Amino acid sequence: QVQLKESGPGLVQPSETLSLTCTVSGFSLTSYSVSWVRQPSGKGPEWMGRMWYDGDTAYNSALKSRLSISRDTSKNQVFLKMNSLQTDDTGTYYCTRWDYDFDYWGQGVMVTVSS
Amino acid sequence: DIQMTQSPSSLPASLGDRVTITCRASQDIGNYLRWFQQKPGKSPRLMIYGATNLAAGVPSRFSGSRSGSDYSLTINSLESEDMAIYYCLQHNEYPFTFGSGTKLEIK
Repeated sequence: QVQLKESGPGLVQPSETLSLTCTVSGFSLTSYSVSWVRQPSGKGPEWMGRMWYDGDTAYNSALKSRLSISRDTSKNQVFLKMNSLQTDDTGTYYCTRWDYDFDYWGQGVMVTVSS
Repeated sequence: DIQMTQSPSSLPASLGDRVTITCRASQDIGNYLRWFQQKPGKSPRLMIYGATNLAAGVPSRFSGSRSGSDYSLTINSLESEDMAIYYCLQHNEYPFTFGSGTKLEIK
């Protein structure tokens, strides 16, 4: 069945770079797009960007200067890298597949930006 | 960016009530509107897609509607399992944007 799972460090120092991996199973990254969504604790979600099935990417303009999304189709993985992290980047980061009429989400990974 | 103005932010309601949550889009988004339900410690769950279509496995007491730039989620005959935070999302134009959320709680 379709599954997505985020992984990465739980703690990142301010000004450092966040690297997260979304490992998917049950589908091919060359057939479906995957988005990253983050959610500060107690706040609403924010769409960060998308890796299209054809390898193209789209980014939230508010994050574009700091954000990079890439993939390794042979490993069924999508990567998120965001630099210059600050405390307000703290939150839960999700990868998700949005079909026309259904969606699949990872369990999320909590990231804390703190020294 | 398209702003999604969601109201109310908090909605106390009793079991069996009919409740409505609304999102207003700052620009035309067509029917590219989704509603999500989120419970504490859980990932969001799609409830409505295409503004008015029920996602798979969602109870029929949930419904979505549109009037111009106003999009609504209605829950008929509220049940305890419906207590959660609800978010709208526009995916017509990048960046996709969420509403600020409505916390549905027992009165």
